Amino acid sequence: DAGVIQSPRHEVTEMGQEVTLRCKPISGHNSLFWYRQTMMRGLELLIYFNNNVPIDDSGMPEDRFSAKMPNASFSTLKIQPSEPRDSAVYFCASSLTISAGGLLGEQFFGPGTRLTVL
Amino acid sequence: KQEVTQIPAALSVPEGENLVLNCSFTDSAIYNLQWFRQDPGKGLTSLLLIQSSQREQTSGRLNASLDKSSGRSTLYIAASQPGDSATYLCAVSGRDDKIIFGKGTRLHILP
Repeated sequence: DAGVIQSPRHEVTEMGQEVTLRCKPISGHNSLFWYRQTMMRGLELLIYFNNNVPIDDSGMPEDRFSAKMPNASFSTLKIQPSEPRDSAVYFCASSLTISAGGLLGEQFFGPGTRLTVL
Repeated sequence: KQEVTQIPAALSVPEGENLVLNCSFTDSAIYNLQWFRQDPGKGLTSLLLIQSSQREQTSGRLNASLDKSSGRSTLYIAASQPGDSATYLCAVSGRDDKIIFGKGTRLHILP
């Protein structure tokens, strides 16, 4: 398996522009997570999908952020409009949720997208 | 609200020494705890996953322990090597499937 795939690996954009980050989870995994990592705040969970359904989006910072998972093999995280404070590394991770009660399995991370908003 | 703390934030040890990294959490009602390694500019690599019913997990030179009652986990690295230099993060998942990460310990093995 190729692991979790993210694109682009690097993105530089100007303030106010729309940014779309993409993720392909590991085949067979039913949970997908979007994280943001900064020096100041560390790694923060933004949103979590289970079986393509958003379960917890309490970490999404504001309405400028949105995430979709149209099918089991693809997810996007969109920022519109982008701001300089959105500059960070964005990680996607996937796992196999073990039970209906939500026991989360081992998480596997993608390489991340380094976003710079000027 | 669950909080995860990793102390120290940075650690330097000579090659060949055994070392212990610490992770503490405030809410003992967890499902599992996972240790990760992150190299500079890279994503996270899973090292060990301990379910709440387990006390420890081992993989090669790594051993992770879990004491839920005291809210602590340790990652033991035996016979450290320069290639072990990285940032090590722990994460706990608990009620409502919240996943909380510590800020990591930056480990440097001195050749």
